[in-house]
Amino acid sequence: QVQLVESGGGVVQPGRSLRLSCAASGFTLSRYGMHWVRQAPGKGLEWVAVISYEGTNKYYADSVKGRFTVSRDTSKNTLSLEVNSLRTVDTAVFYCVRGLRYSSGWYFDSWGQGTLVTVSS
Amino acid sequence: QSVLTQPPSVSAAPGQKVTISCSGSSSNIGNNYVAWYQQLPGTAPKLLIYENDKRSSEIPDRFSGSKSGTSATLGITGLQTGDEADYYCGTWDNSLIAVFGGGTKLTVL
Repeated sequence: QVQLVESGGGVVQPGRSLRLSCAASGFTLSRYGMHWVRQAPGKGLEWVAVISYEGTNKYYADSVKGRFTVSRDTSKNTLSLEVNSLRTVDTAVFYCVRGLRYSSGWYFDSWGQGTLVTVSS
Repeated sequence: QSVLTQPPSVSAAPGQKVTISCSGSSSNIGNNYVAWYQQLPGTAPKLLIYENDKRSSEIPDRFSGSKSGTSATLGITGLQTGDEADYYCGTWDNSLIAVFGGGTKLTVL
């Protein structure tokens, strides 16, 4: 069955970087738009980024544009998120999410268990 | 502050019905499908409803969705204690980003 397993979270100082990974199984990642969605402690969901199934189109939330980079490795069926210049407000659980495309957008049918990123000095 | 507006909380007794509203604008709900997600305590969100009113696999017909104009509604009938969770509406925005509501905490009294 479809499974998404994130890793790479941890405690990091402001201004530093992390690389989050998501291992996909049960489906071929390159056939879907793959997203990152985050959730700050006790807060709601915030969409972060998407990489299209072709791998050529990438879109980001304004709050992370220029600091975060989404990528994938089709040979390993994995999704990554490079998070740079981290700020305390970036503290959140980051979810790897599979998107199903409709005419003008996506909905999210499978979610990983999440990986916690804590930005603190 | 979320792009889509949901009530922070709703409550009802077991067996009763509850509705959760989600309000947006012409740039998001007005021109795109709406999905609903359930997040049980300590777990990842799960897809309940997609394309406004279609239930995801294995979701019971106690859950329903609808959309009118720039608003959407999630309905839950025959409430059970296991339905206690946070519920989020979500859609796509014409500015090429996904947007969510702030979430509604359902309490089954």
